[in-house]
Amino acid sequence: RKEVEQDPGPFNVPEGATVAFNCTYSNSASQSFFWYRQDCRKEPKLLMSVYSSGNEDGRFTAQLNRASQYISLLIRDSKLSDSATYLCVVNPRGNTPLVFGKGTRLSVIA
Amino acid sequence: DAGVTQSPTHLIKTRGQQVTLRCSPKSGHDTVSWYQQALGQGPQFIFQYYEEEERQRGNFPDRFSGHQFPNYSSELNVNALLLGDSALYLCASSGEQGRNEKLFFGSGTQLSVL
Repeated sequence: RKEVEQDPGPFNVPEGATVAFNCTYSNSASQSFFWYRQDCRKEPKLLMSVYSSGNEDGRFTAQLNRASQYISLLIRDSKLSDSATYLCVVNPRGNTPLVFGKGTRLSVIA
Repeated sequence: DAGVTQSPTHLIKTRGQQVTLRCSPKSGHDTVSWYQQALGQGPQFIFQYYEEEERQRGNFPDRFSGHQFPNYSSELNVNALLLGDSALYLCASSGEQGRNEKLFFGSGTQLSVL
């Protein structure tokens, strides 16, 4: 089982739609979780950290379910500018390198 | 305040050649991590440098080596290039407040091996 697995893309959604991505991780001792956004041929950028209690930043909501070892990202009222690849990222054991999923590609269509 | 800068932006090499990629970290950061991102994949960790030493290493062969200089900038060297080394090479910098978490990425070097 891969350390971090994500929904295969692409997700093609109309503007204004709500879309959700899921991600599972294999190491139950993993400590930190993140969502990064990567535009085509550009560098990844931190979108948001994911906390046990869940957290929200505008139209974006991240949730962590430790019991089931999955992380989710919900985007409400999708904009054309949300089109990108969303990378699920896990820090497996504290002071260790981040492990990235393959990413899920989102295309928001007018 | 300059962010993470990488050079060159694009590079074309042939099999068997050697390549050196360069990275300057964000101001105030002392740690540099290198990642390889093949097309359609997530970034894969190569190694991390701080205090001019390799501190952590991913599952990459010895053909991949690096260096960190006293000004915290870093180089990634790849010897005996293979076609499979074609990828986007990303440098990420961080500081002591989050060496493995608060990463800032450069825009990468796109390496094509022919």
